Amino acid sequence: TQLLEQSPQFLSIQEGENLTVYCNSSSVFSSLQWYRQEPGEGPVLLVTVVTGGEVKKLKRLTFQFGDARKDSSLHITAAQPGDTGLYLCAGDSSSNTGKLIFGQGTTLQVKP
Amino acid sequence: DAGVIQSPRHEVTEMGQEVTLRCKPISGHNSLFWYRQTMMRGLELLIYFNNNVPIDDSGMPEDRFSAKMPNASFSTLKIQPSEPRDSAVYFCASSSGQVGYTFGSGTRLTVV
Repeated sequence: TQLLEQSPQFLSIQEGENLTVYCNSSSVFSSLQWYRQEPGEGPVLLVTVVTGGEVKKLKRLTFQFGDARKDSSLHITAAQPGDTGLYLCAGDSSSNTGKLIFGQGTTLQVKP
Repeated sequence: DAGVIQSPRHEVTEMGQEVTLRCKPISGHNSLFWYRQTMMRGLELLIYFNNNVPIDDSGMPEDRFSAKMPNASFSTLKIQPSEPRDSAVYFCASSSGQVGYTFGSGTRLTVV
């Protein structure tokens, strides 16, 4: 069974601080996605990474896929209250089925 | 496009009653997924369809759960009879290829 473990589970920081969220597995994934979910809504796709070692930037968010395609990280620079939410990583198995396995999520609270 | 549309948004029902959740995927998306989200277990894949055909229903908890996709624009998830432990938020998502999921806003189900 493929599992994705996210850390930390909860993070409460002040506006302007930097943070990193980790997503780890013992399995290889053909691709990995990051989603952000706000209360009362479904998760919204932020980015997809496909190539080992790939780095993608989305404004103040930097996503990295591990060289072995087993782990990923999300780094937020100068966090804003609007970044508050649940961050989920999700992996597509190496068989490329399109079926995603989700991590448990990291709840981020950014205080003004 | 209006996105993935789920109904109802909220459902409160008594134990033993039948519950039907509905989903309209994004037009042109050929894969549809039903997930359940709880605080304890996070997002769990229940079943997914490819081109209206059920591909993997290994996540369906038990025989009380069933799902159908009679055409490309409609799917239902039925629970009969419902139990209090079925209380959760149920999400429908659709996708096309490997480009990531688009989630609906979910149905919050409470079984009392």
